[in-house]
Formats: sequence, C-alpha cells, structure tokens
Amino acid sequence: SQQGEEDPQALSIQEGENATMNCSYKTSINNLQWYRQNSGRGLVHLILIRSNEREKHSGRLRVTLDTSKKSSSLLITASRAADTASYFCATEQVGNEKLTFGTGTRLTIIP
Amino acid sequence: NAGVTQTPKFRVLKTGQSMTLLCAQDMNHEYMYWYRQDPGMGLRLIHYSVGEGTTAKGEVPDGYNVSRLKKQNFLLGLESAAPSQTSVYFCASSYSVWGAPAEAFFGQGTRLTVV
Repeated sequence: SQQGEEDPQALSIQEGENATMNCSYKTSINNLQWYRQNSGRGLVHLILIRSNEREKHSGRLRVTLDTSKKSSSLLITASRAADTASYFCATEQVGNEKLTFGTGTRLTIIP
Repeated sequence: NAGVTQTPKFRVLKTGQSMTLLCAQDMNHEYMYWYRQDPGMGLRLIHYSVGEGTTAKGEVPDGYNVSRLKKQNFLLGLESAAPSQTSVYFCASSYSVWGAPAEAFFGQGTRLTVV
C-alpha cells in the first residue's frame, strides 16, 4: 500500500479562488514534499517541508505539516488556469531513504 | 544541462520479451528511483538506489531488476514482459540533505505497452 494519500481525488474551482488539497501518511517522516504533474509529463518539485517545520511558503503556495496527525496541506492562492495539473505529496520515511508518493489530486481551474 | 534523461520514450513489447530502460542524470545525485504510473494509482516505487553499486526494492519490485554500476546511470530491466507491466515509467534522481533525499528531478517518462 502507498505511504501517502491525497484528498480530494479531484477538485474544480473558478480562476482566482484558492485551492486546498490534503495529504495523509502512515509512518514517521524526515520530510514531506509536494509535486505538480502536467498531463503526461514528468513531475516538478514545488516545495519541501521538514518534519520539524510547521508551515512554509513559496510564492502563491503555502504548505502546512502536522506530524501528530500525520497530515499536510497545500494551499494555492489566487489560482490561475496554468495551475491545472495533478498534485502529489511525497514522503521520505525515517529509517530508509525511499521517496514514496501518494495517489494525487487532480486540480482543474475553470477560467 | 540535460538533468534526467530516459531512453527510450516509447516502446511496444510482445509478452515474454525483455528490455532495459536507461536513466541517466548529470547532476551527481546520490539517489535514483524508478516508478511506474498507472491511471488512478499515482506513482509506485519499483526499485531505488542510494548510491553507486547499491539497489533496494520499492513497493512493486516483482518482475523487474535494476543495476547502478555507475553513479550517473540507473537501469531498469524487464526479463519477461507481461501485459500487467504496461505503464508509464518515470526515473528520478535527488541529492542528499542531512542524510535524506531532497528535491527529486524527474525524467519525461517511458510509455511501455506490452501486447
């Protein structure tokens, strides 16, 4: 079974609105990362948050991490049509150096 | 700077045939990974490597073998292809920060169809 699971599986919002997606994981981690994938392409790294951090910002992205609940959220503010993509969380688990991905959230921005 | 390069980009195999997918990175990264992506399943880790000469099993290793004889290359082999191995395969590499993999860089993927 996969380490991470994103919620919701799919999300459609109007351009300009904020998009929030969540990731839950199962075991203790060293860090959690978020990636974007445009249709049929390779994944692109967005942001990394370490296990001792609670919040991190990068441009219009805000990531939170709650290690007690084993969950993270990705907020994209002021969404744009170009944000339409699938978003994945990835975790690196304590005790090994695997980088495992969740099932992804498919985000559609409606112009 | 090429980043991560996968070859080939597309391949059609007959059941029982063998093939090798090549992943090459020019960033001197320690970690390299092979994933497969199927509709609705996200990315599943097949095998990975934490350094030259090392390999380890991921979540779905059966039917695949890997080798990392050189730091920059990570090969994925299918000895006897099955239709269940029809998928898009992604290679990735990452550097180490505080002994853990950091940002991963991905290749563009190999679309494999087994008939």
